[in-house]
Order: sequence, then C-alpha cells, then structure tokens
Amino acid sequence: ETGVTQSPTHLIKTRGQQVTLRCSSQSGHNTVSWYQQALGQGPQFIFQYYREEENGRGNFPPRFSGLQFPNYSSELNVNALELDDSALYLCASSDPSGRETGELFFGEGSRLTVL
Amino acid sequence: AQSVTQLDSQVPVFEEAPVELRCNYSSSVSVYLFWYVQYPNQGLQLLLKYLSGSTLVESINGFEAEFNKSQTSFHLRKPSVHISDTAEYFCAVSESSGSARQLTFGSGTQLTVLP
Repeated sequence: ETGVTQSPTHLIKTRGQQVTLRCSSQSGHNTVSWYQQALGQGPQFIFQYYREEENGRGNFPPRFSGLQFPNYSSELNVNALELDDSALYLCASSDPSGRETGELFFGEGSRLTVL
Repeated sequence: AQSVTQLDSQVPVFEEAPVELRCNYSSSVSVYLFWYVQYPNQGLQLLLKYLSGSTLVESINGFEAEFNKSQTSFHLRKPSVHISDTAEYFCAVSESSGSARQLTFGSGTQLTVLP
C-alpha cells in the first residue's frame, strides 16, 4: 500500500514568486488536507479537498489555493510569496471513515524556504 | 474553535524511565483525540487515537493515553522509554470546519531520551 507522497521535498523561492506543491494521496483515500508547519510549531490547517472541491478552510489568505484531481491527487499553490510562508507544508489524506473522525495520514512534507 | 495546550515544550528523560506528556483541549463537547509523532525531517505519524469506548487507548509500541472528559485532558504515557522514542509529539483534536473535519494541533512536546 503506497502512502502519501509529496513533491518536491525541498525548494527555495524568493519573495513575490509563486510555488506549486504536489501530493498523491494514499490508496483508497478520497479526501486531501493541507497543513502549514512553521519551525517549532504545530501544523496549522490550510484547507481540505473532497470530490475536487474545497470543503473547509483555515485562517489563510486567498493567495493560498488548491486543486484536487479525479485520481484524488492534489496541488497547493501559493502566490506572492512572503518570508513568513517559509515552512514545512504537509499533505494528508483520509479515507471515508477518517473523513468523519478527522484521522489523517501525512506525507513527509515539502520544505519551502522564501528568501 | 478548539485549542490544544501542551504544557511542556521539552521533556528530557533517562532511558527506561517513565514519561508523561500532557495535553489539554478546550471543548467539553464530544471530541475525537489524537497523538502524532514526528521524527526529524519527517512527516507526522499517527501514534494513537480516541474515538469512543474505553477511555484508555494503547499503541503498538507501548504508549498509552487516557481520555479524561471532566478534565478535558488526553495525556500520553509510557512506563519505560527507549532512545528511539526521541521525537516531537503532537496532541490534536478534531473539529468541524464547514463540511470538513480538521485537526487542531498543540505546539508539540520534544521528548529527548538520554542514555
């Protein structure tokens, strides 16, 4: 069984640029969530996708956007990067029962550094 | 919105000693509770969860956590720790966000097991 995979693992961008992060969900999981984990902090909920639509969002500005594809994979896009966007971005997937309880399976993350 | 408090940011303990990592959450309504572990430069792995039933839940590697509704706590314990238990531990509570359920995480506790 393949777990959640994310790419790229590391990347460096400059302020004002745009970035796209990618995620493949675990087999059988139809819901994808994205979290931002700043250094020394717990993960913060960005948004969740189900049936290719955003169905929940945390306290993040509109320049954070996403997509979910028919195969349940997902992208996180961040426009107009700011220094504070430097963080580990975690993708997590859940199966139908996990969607009811909130139980998530996480990928290894994409570490974004904004200079 | 829920909040999760992990009272200890760092817990050093000697190998084979017992440990307790404390977690309190804000809501007294029905909740789902989780402990995740994060090893350096990795994503989060589910350690154990409370969904319903017995208030004492156990993991396969010797950790246990007890759900205490009156004290809104979900403390994590292990009677004898190993060097390999050194990691960051996050407590999380599941709550509704629109039609989604999101996890709200604490700020984490760094457990360091000393030889």
